[in-house]
Amino acid sequence: DGGITQSPKYLFRKEGQNVTLSCEQNLNHDAMYWYRQDPGQGLRLIYYSQIVNDFQKGDIAEGYSVSREKKESFPLTVTSAQKNPTAFYLCASSPRSWYASYNEQFFGPGTRLTVL
Amino acid sequence: GDSVTQMEGPVTLSEEAFLTINCTYTATGYPSLFWYVQYPGEGLQLLLKATKADDKGSNKGFEATYRKETTSFHLEKGSVQVSDSAVYFCALKSEGGSEKLVFGKGTKLTVNP
Repeated sequence: DGGITQSPKYLFRKEGQNVTLSCEQNLNHDAMYWYRQDPGQGLRLIYYSQIVNDFQKGDIAEGYSVSREKKESFPLTVTSAQKNPTAFYLCASSPRSWYASYNEQFFGPGTRLTVL
Repeated sequence: GDSVTQMEGPVTLSEEAFLTINCTYTATGYPSLFWYVQYPGEGLQLLLKATKADDKGSNKGFEATYRKETTSFHLEKGSVQVSDSAVYFCALKSEGGSEKLVFGKGTKLTVNP
């Protein structure tokens, strides 16, 4: 079955440590995204990538880093510079289109990160 | 910039009640509009979408009509079920090929038997 996998589902980190969240898709989508979800805040875009070896900052990129070395993979690193990293992190992907804005994004199941 | 405003929840209904969740947006041109649903502990799933004015998206008994004149995309269902309990997000994608989705803050719906 095609889809997006995120691992792990739950992640605990000590303050001051970097941690990497995995996101893999087998939908053959060009574009991939990382969102952060906090209670009552909706989803906020951290980083996105429209093509391999290229990515752009979203609205809240500070304290995060990404790489896009393969089409299927878009890992997110939460660095120690992120002041409040405890949150639910969602990865998404979509087909890339130059003109059509109607392409939906497909979401993974999420990773809940807790900083101890 | 573009934005989405949803009615604040939580919304609590009895089974078979009528549901409306209001959503209005601010955007230039003709964005595409989406409703996503999130069940507890899970990611988001697309519920329905509309890509141009007067389009009606529908799925699983839910409907929403793209109203350009009122910049709205309200979600409705005639008879809710306990299994509809979830958080609902309205979102838009700007015209012009931008890949970014702009989300509302979400509305939590609880349906009691």
